[in-house]
Amino acid sequence: DTAVSQTPKYLVTQMGNDKSIKCEQNLGHDTMYWYKQDSKKFLKIMFSYNNKELIINETVPNRFSPKSPDKAHLNLHINSLELGDSAVYFCASSQGNRRDEKLFFGSGTQLSVL
Amino acid sequence: DAKTTQPPSMDCAEGRAANLPCNHSTISGNEYVYWYRQIHSQGPQYIIHGLKNNETNEMASLIITEDRKSSTLILPHATLRDTAVYYCIVSGNYGQNFVFGPGTRLSVLP
Repeated sequence: DTAVSQTPKYLVTQMGNDKSIKCEQNLGHDTMYWYKQDSKKFLKIMFSYNNKELIINETVPNRFSPKSPDKAHLNLHINSLELGDSAVYFCASSQGNRRDEKLFFGSGTQLSVL
Repeated sequence: DAKTTQPPSMDCAEGRAANLPCNHSTISGNEYVYWYRQIHSQGPQYIIHGLKNNETNEMASLIITEDRKSSTLILPHATLRDTAVYYCIVSGNYGQNFVFGPGTRLSVLP
């Protein structure tokens, strides 16, 4: 069973479109995250949710909106896509109640904006 | 900004031990040292973590200096499948401030 699964794996779209990436974890974790890995391969946190509440919201354009219908899901909606949004997006989860947290990552969604 | 520094790349012969260093001179008393790796096109994978004692699991060993300002990840018998980017991270706040630096690209050579 895949612990953290995200769909789709590849997403190719035109500039200006709106798209969503879905993430689900079956680990019973309370905290979920979205990370972005750019072309230089730096991995940066975008959002963190704990029990459906937003905990971290790094400097991310408000075109990006995370939505957590329940603590097992954290979806990422992106409006008015721009060329610079092209990257690999990773979802992750952790228990959320320990100082020594382990993050479990999904396999990533490669977004290409044309 | 990452609170750790690592060499950008290293090579290791297959079957030999791979020793990956990490400097974290500004680590605070309640922060853990974590190691993750990212194999091409996959999400980062947890390897090991520690606070001040050396740790060992089925994947690797973690040696932390007594002053905790540096650590070494040891893969005892590297295989070709260990070729990846290895990230050293320090964090003590429920995983919420995991900052990934550029890491070390380890190439295991046949």
